[in-house]
Amino acid sequence: DAGVIQSPRHEVTEMGQEVTLRCKPISGHNSLFWYRQTMMRGLELLIYFNNNVPIDDSGMPEDRFSAKMPNASFSTLKIQPSEPRDSAVYFCASSHNPPANWVEAFFGQGTRLTVV
Amino acid sequence: GIQVEQSPPDLILQEGANSTLRCNFSDSVNNLQWFHQNPWGQLINLFYIPSGTKQNGRLSATTVATERYSLLYISSSQTTDSGVYFCAVERTSNFGNEKLTFGTGTRLTIIP
Repeated sequence: DAGVIQSPRHEVTEMGQEVTLRCKPISGHNSLFWYRQTMMRGLELLIYFNNNVPIDDSGMPEDRFSAKMPNASFSTLKIQPSEPRDSAVYFCASSHNPPANWVEAFFGQGTRLTVV
Repeated sequence: GIQVEQSPPDLILQEGANSTLRCNFSDSVNNLQWFHQNPWGQLINLFYIPSGTKQNGRLSATTVATERYSLLYISSSQTTDSGVYFCAVERTSNFGNEKLTFGTGTRLTIIP
């Protein structure tokens, strides 16, 4: 398996622009997670999906952030409008979770976002 | 939420030395993972170890769930071991499955 695939690897955009990050989870995995990593806050969960349904979005910073998972093989994280404080590395991860149990999560290579 | 503390925060060692990294967590967990974030930023799975002991080459890990800690051992360290090591835990509560929570990491630097 190719692992979790994220695109783009790097994104530089101007403040106010819309940014869309993409993720393809490992085939067969039914849970997908979006994390953000910054120096100040470390790795923090933004949102996670189970069977394509958003389960917990309490980590989403504000209404400028939105995430979708239209099918089991694709998810997007959108920031509109982007701000310099959104600059961070965004990771997508996936796992296969049987009911009432959690197993190993695998991370993509991340998208480094810079908002100028 | 659950608290995850890692120690030491920074560790500088000579190549060939052994090291022990510790992860303490504040509540019962049903998932614990160790990750290595390499200098290029990639998060690499090392161990999925909610309890017991596992070994993979020069690395091994032990989790004592009843005492709420896990240890990562690196033997005969190499420069490629440099990076940040994260412990992450997950628990299931009466409210359902909770999120994978990361510690602040241990930054390991191996000097040739």
